Amino acid sequence: EPEVTQTPSHQVTQMGQEVILRCVPISNHLYFYWYRQILGQKVEFLVSFYNNEISEKSEIFDDQFSVERPDGSNFTLKIRSTKLEDSAMYFCASSQDSTLTGELFFGEGSRLTVL
Amino acid sequence: GENVEQHPSTLSVQEGDSAVIKCTYSDSASNYFPWYKQELGKGPQLIIDIRSNVGEKKDQRIAVTLNKTAKHFSLHITETQPEDSAVYFCAASRAGTALIFGKGTTLSVSS
Repeated sequence: EPEVTQTPSHQVTQMGQEVILRCVPISNHLYFYWYRQILGQKVEFLVSFYNNEISEKSEIFDDQFSVERPDGSNFTLKIRSTKLEDSAMYFCASSQDSTLTGELFFGEGSRLTVL
Repeated sequence: GENVEQHPSTLSVQEGDSAVIKCTYSDSASNYFPWYKQELGKGPQLIIDIRSNVGEKKDQRIAVTLNKTAKHFSLHITETQPEDSAVYFCAASRAGTALIFGKGTTLSVSS
């Protein structure tokens, strides 16, 4: 069964460092998303990406965040200068269609710990 | 923007009992309402969804109801089993927008 894969599974970094989280969406999917989940809290939307550009972003997704699809398979989330409050589980998701018609498939997440 | 409220935050039931989780949403234009199950250490996985043109949908032991007038929807799990223990999230979206999730319900089914 096709799945969304994420690397690394866990990353520990110092405050102020740059972090790149990587995702390989399901191959025939066209929509890509990043969500985050602070421990014990809700899953929060960060950004959606379609046709090589951001289609929607939340207020959490400020100038410290960026996304990229550098090749035909990877989808990355970069945090330029990490803060303590960026510590969370980051989930990548993909769907074949928009949320109106398509199921979102989530990866297993990348846990980011900022010290 | 959309805001989704979910209750209860924790729910403990005995095996074989029913479990009900309720959500309300704020955006009357929302028309897609999925439910996700998240097991420990894993990403959320879709278990059932409902769209605004339907009032109820059932899949074996799981059912979802939608009341568009009141802007609430509910997940019903009958004959619960220990493997149903997980965190359940409701979500809502309107056409072309991202899913907005509730805070989650931790369901514990004891045998």
